[in-house]
Amino acid sequence: NAGVMQNPRHLVRRRGQEARLRCSPMKGHSHVYWYRQLPEEGLKFMVYLQKENIIDESGMPKERFSAEFPKEGPSILRIQQVVRGDSAAYFCASSRFPVPDTQYFGPGTRLTVL
Amino acid sequence: AQKVTQAQTEISVVEKEDVTLDCVYETRDTTYYLFWYKQPPSGELVFLIRRNSFDEQNEISGRYSWNFQKSTSSFNFTITASQVVDSAVYFCALPNSGGYNKLIFGAGTRLAVHP
Repeated sequence: NAGVMQNPRHLVRRRGQEARLRCSPMKGHSHVYWYRQLPEEGLKFMVYLQKENIIDESGMPKERFSAEFPKEGPSILRIQQVVRGDSAAYFCASSRFPVPDTQYFGPGTRLTVL
Repeated sequence: AQKVTQAQTEISVVEKEDVTLDCVYETRDTTYYLFWYKQPPSGELVFLIRRNSFDEQNEISGRYSWNFQKSTSSFNFTITASQVVDSAVYFCALPNSGGYNKLIFGAGTRLAVHP
């Protein structure tokens, strides 16, 4: 049973470009969460999605960030007009049922903004 | 509000030593769950354990053991006979109150095990 998959693993963007991060949950999991880890810090929640629905986006910056989890295909975290402060590791997690069911994490996408 | 405190920023031990990583939490829920994750140098997050507040029995898995004490709001993690492969950042977490939409993570403890 494949784990949570994220791609790309590393992404380099120049300031002002767009970044698209993809996450395929584990088979049978319909709950997807995105977290951000700034250098030398813990993980901070960004958004929680179920298929075609955003359930909680309380951790998402109000501008430039968006997320989706379409009926078909992976969940996408999109960052428009990236700035240097967006440089971080972005982790996706999935669970079969909502929290407090265990969340299993993907390997993360390391975003570097030049 | 929910809060997880991992007061030990970094711990350094020599192989075969026992080491305990502390986790203190605050919650307004009467029933709740606690988690530990490991982040090795390769960067991925590995699930270690989930415990619920109903069960205060200590959990043992090989060289790993967890001590849950509701009276002191602590959920400490002990590695017995540490090995170099245990070197990682370890995170304690609990769900937010009410909506249960996310995990609240502590800042993590970086463990370095030296040969």
